[in-house]
Amino acid sequence: EIVLTQSPTTMAASPGEKVTITCRASSSVSYMHWYQQKPGASPKPWIYDTSKLASGVPNRFSGSGSGTSYSLTISSMETEDTATYYCQQWSSNSFTFGSGTKLEIK
Amino acid sequence: EVQLVESGGGLVQPGRSLKLSCAASGFTFSNYYMAWVRQAPKKGLEWVATISTSGSRTYYPDSVKGRFTISRDNAKSSLYLQMNSLKSEDTATYYCARTIHTMGITLDYWGQGVMVTVSS
Repeated sequence: EIVLTQSPTTMAASPGEKVTITCRASSSVSYMHWYQQKPGASPKPWIYDTSKLASGVPNRFSGSGSGTSYSLTISSMETEDTATYYCQQWSSNSFTFGSGTKLEIK
Repeated sequence: EVQLVESGGGLVQPGRSLKLSCAASGFTFSNYYMAWVRQAPKKGLEWVATISTSGSRTYYPDSVKGRFTISRDNAKSSLYLQMNSLKSEDTATYYCARTIHTMGITLDYWGQGVMVTVSS
């Protein structure tokens, strides 16, 4: 089973600040996907196939990476970006998720 | 509009069984692999089961293998999760999700979730 380790676990950013969330895989994966979840809501697809934005996702978000290291970046933090972000991979007929990064506004 | 609506959750005693349902609409259900994902209170996401389009192939993590069974009825556009021998650690919100294969494989639509509480 591939284990995904996200960092940081929690962070706070000021409006306008650049934010980077990292997801490291225990073995190489082909693609990484990201979800955004707000309290009391279901996870929403956010970035898929490592770097493609899901429908409706603002273009201040971007995704990158390869092999065992992937990241989600917000170029300029906004209040509405406050949420928990999870990375996800699929291999050998199994989904695994990272433990999540809780992003707050300063 | 794609909709996934879960039902069947509730309070159940340890060792007992419960069956969740997910009603799908807005897409051709039989064309998609489907999955269940759960989230314990204040915790992260955990994949629970996946089923192929016909239902002939199913996949589970070790944490539920042998206790949970995923199934589907394509004629009714419905997905199910039979949960047996429930444990306190199965307490979670259970989400039904559609699986999609773009370049990778991901979950592109999620239901609102249904709460399962395992407690005496």
